Amino acid sequence: GAVVSQHPSRVICKSGTSVKIECRSLDFQATTMFWYRQFPKQSLMLMATSNEGSKATYEQGVEKDKFLINHASLTLSTLTVTSAHPEDSSFYICSPSPRNNNSPLHFGNGTRLTVT
Amino acid sequence: DQQVKQNSPSLSVQEGRISILNCDYTNSMFDYFLWYKKYPAEGPTFLISISSIKDKNEDGRFTVFLNKSAKHLSLHIVPSQPGDSAVYFCAAYSMEYGNKLVFGAGTILRVKS
Repeated sequence: GAVVSQHPSRVICKSGTSVKIECRSLDFQATTMFWYRQFPKQSLMLMATSNEGSKATYEQGVEKDKFLINHASLTLSTLTVTSAHPEDSSFYICSPSPRNNNSPLHFGNGTRLTVT
Repeated sequence: DQQVKQNSPSLSVQEGRISILNCDYTNSMFDYFLWYKKYPAEGPTFLISISSIKDKNEDGRFTVFLNKSAKHLSLHIVPSQPGDSAVYFCAAYSMEYGNKLVFGAGTILRVKS
């Protein structure tokens, strides 16, 4: 069965609104959460890494004030796209990783965000 | 700088034949290489991995080969099945860089029956 639950799977929102994406780790405690983004015909790009209870680390070029990450518990992390614009339309995927695991093997099913 | 490259955007193979997906990398610090399979509108699912200290890893129909001197790895699927049709991503990480996965752009595999 699924070990990662990501919701919603698809969301359409108007420009200027905020969207929250939830990622739950079902089978293990996710001390680390990776958030990825995939634009059409491009590879998955890491946006940020968060560790439970601490601030997320953002990759170069990713605005931390626009993509708010909360990782308050070992089973739940959220990504909020604030004041969304059409260029934020993308496929967002989370990947929780347990402690002492050297590779993030599990991914959520992704959220297709369309900003109109 | 694209550290992991999959130069073939697509591959078409007849059912029953071998599918060979290729991946090149530039960072010699990568410790681990992974292959993921992705269907449309779904997240990637893990297929097979290989440590940098090995040159081959086999799991059922899937075999990954690593050539460190050439900084090249490949995924062999044999025999190919129509259900294997998906996008395949090569990924790599280095423990020195915090285990962050770096993905290739993906190769679309179509297995024709």
